[in-house]
This record gives sequence, C-alpha cells and structure tokens, in this order.
Amino acid sequence: AQKVTQAQTEISVVEKEDVTLDCVYETRDTTYYLFWYKQPPSGELVFLIRRNSFDEQNEISGRYSWNFQKSTSSFNFTITASQVVDSAVYFCALSEPYGQNFVFGPGTRLSVLP
Amino acid sequence: DAGVIQSPRHEVTEMGQEVTLRCKPISGHDYLFWYRQTMMRGLELLIYFNNNVPIDDSGMPEDRFSAKMPNASFSTLKIQPSEPRDSAVYFCASSLRGPKTGELFFGEGSRLTVL
Repeated sequence: AQKVTQAQTEISVVEKEDVTLDCVYETRDTTYYLFWYKQPPSGELVFLIRRNSFDEQNEISGRYSWNFQKSTSSFNFTITASQVVDSAVYFCALSEPYGQNFVFGPGTRLSVLP
Repeated sequence: DAGVIQSPRHEVTEMGQEVTLRCKPISGHDYLFWYRQTMMRGLELLIYFNNNVPIDDSGMPEDRFSAKMPNASFSTLKIQPSEPRDSAVYFCASSLRGPKTGELFFGEGSRLTVL
C-alpha cells in the first residue's frame, strides 16, 4: 500500500505566486517522522525539513512553511512568493521507527515561470 | 564539510558488462544508503549499512546486485551482469542518526545507462 501520496504530479506557477504542495501519508504508528526533500534540475536531493509526529506546530523558514495536521494525515508545504530557483521536484517522505524505513512519495514537479 | 561524494556521475555501458558505483559518505555518519530512482518506480531503497554492516538489503532487486562497505568512508554498489532495465540514477546517502529518525544527505547521483 502506498504510504505517501503526493496527488499533484506537476504544478506550474508564475513567479511571485504562492504555491502549496500537498502530502498525505498513511501509518499505523503513533511515532513517525515526516520529511520534505527538494530535487533541483541538477539532480541531487536536498533535505528541507524533518518533523516528528508529536510536534504539530507549523514551521516557517523564510519563504517556506509547513503545515502538519495529524487529523487529516497531511504535511503540506507552501512556498510564498515563488521564484524561478524554486523549480524542482519536491518529495515528501515518511519514516516509521517501528515500521518501514524511509518511504518517499512520487514527487511533485514544480515549475516557476518568470 | 564535504558532502556525500559519488562516482562516476555518468556511466554508459553495454548489456552484460559489470558496473561499479562508488560512494564516500559524510565523515562521522554511521549510516549509508543506496537508492535507485526511475521514472516508473520513483525512489527505492536498495540497501543500507550501519557501521559498515549491511542491515537491510531487502530492496536489492536480484543477485546481480551486490553492495559492500569495506570501511567507514567507502562503499560500492556492483551490478554484474548489467541489463538495460538497470538504467536509472543511483543515489548514495548518509545519515548521522538511524534511517527511522534521521535526515538523509544525498550525493549527486550516478546516472547509469545500459544499452
């Protein structure tokens, strides 16, 4: 069963628009970790954030913000005032201490147009 | 600090040939992972090591694939014989904490094309 769903395969926005990337996960564990990674055109995967299941506080880092809602099993990622350099594939991932190791979602390809 | 270093960045080979991919993890990271990325299957964990010992190799596709970690600063992923369906980007990653809790730091990947 797919554990991490990123329903948006591709998104295109114009520079300076805000964009939200959705992530829905599935787990039976009460303790788990969620991650977001960015894969720019150069190919490497860059770690963005880690959040444990006991910390539902939303987090903001510059133009990036994350909304974690256990009630809906979602961990959405918002980029405010998007820039061309934000163009990349973004992966959400789930890790369960007593279950499977890192499981990546299929990714969302974001294109920010000038 | 240097990140995870992989080589080669690109490899083109013919079916049946042996392929060896190399990885140097971040110094001090006790965990090393090999992932494969394809359009069809996304990112798949092949194997991971802890303190140079293979812990979970359930993702290794078949006996043609093997991975070793002879010391804390070096790992190899070998495919022998290679097949066209092995064409993919292979990523090495390392982590300070375990795979269940720690963030992974990835190398730039090795793009393998098997003709």
